[in-house]
Amino acid sequence: AQSVTQLDSQVPVFEEAPVELRCNYSSSVSVYLFWYVQYPNQGLQLLLKYLSGSTLVESINGFEAEFNKSQTSFHLRKPSVHISDTAEYFCAVEGGATNKLIFGTGTLLAVQP
Amino acid sequence: NAGVTQTPKFRVLKTGQSMTLLCAQDMNHEYMYWYRQDPGMGLRLIHYSVGEGTTAKGEVPDGYNVSRLKKQNFLLGLESAAPSQTSVYFCASSYSRTGGSGANVLTFGAGSRLTVL
Repeated sequence: AQSVTQLDSQVPVFEEAPVELRCNYSSSVSVYLFWYVQYPNQGLQLLLKYLSGSTLVESINGFEAEFNKSQTSFHLRKPSVHISDTAEYFCAVEGGATNKLIFGTGTLLAVQP
Repeated sequence: NAGVTQTPKFRVLKTGQSMTLLCAQDMNHEYMYWYRQDPGMGLRLIHYSVGEGTTAKGEVPDGYNVSRLKKQNFLLGLESAAPSQTSVYFCASSYSRTGGSGANVLTFGAGSRLTVL
């Protein structure tokens, strides 16, 4: 069975500092990996996805994630965060026989001035 | 661009009452989903539908029923609400069952906050 682990429930960081949100998954088959973002009082939006090809994927607002098959990780990074990046970030994995999308428990990124 | 619309946005129920959450999408998506979001637990799939007239159980289906009479609508019903069903409910839709095809990903509604007293 697939699973997703986001070890950090909350990550406080100062504005303009770098940040890494960790995501590890378990699956016995090839997977597709996603990061979704949820701004306060809104639904989830796709931030970026890994399907195949280059292991480094980027979003339009400066986030990037790297698929690491050997470490079964898909960590999200940004070199310099803004106040507007404050949100909850969910890692998700799809793959295997069921092809269901499994979400992690989320990481709240709290950017402080 | 309406996308996915959920109604109502907020609702307070007493234990034992019934209610229906409505989800409507205008993107001609085949697949629709209902999730619940609880602190520290992420999103859990309640029920989903792969097309008009079809429904299937997700991870946490007990206490809920769904119907997909029209392609654009997916209804979530609580026949006898319980305090454990206090949650934020999200509807989502996609062209394919999940984002695995590469071209399609889930589009979420803004959520419906339900409190059961």
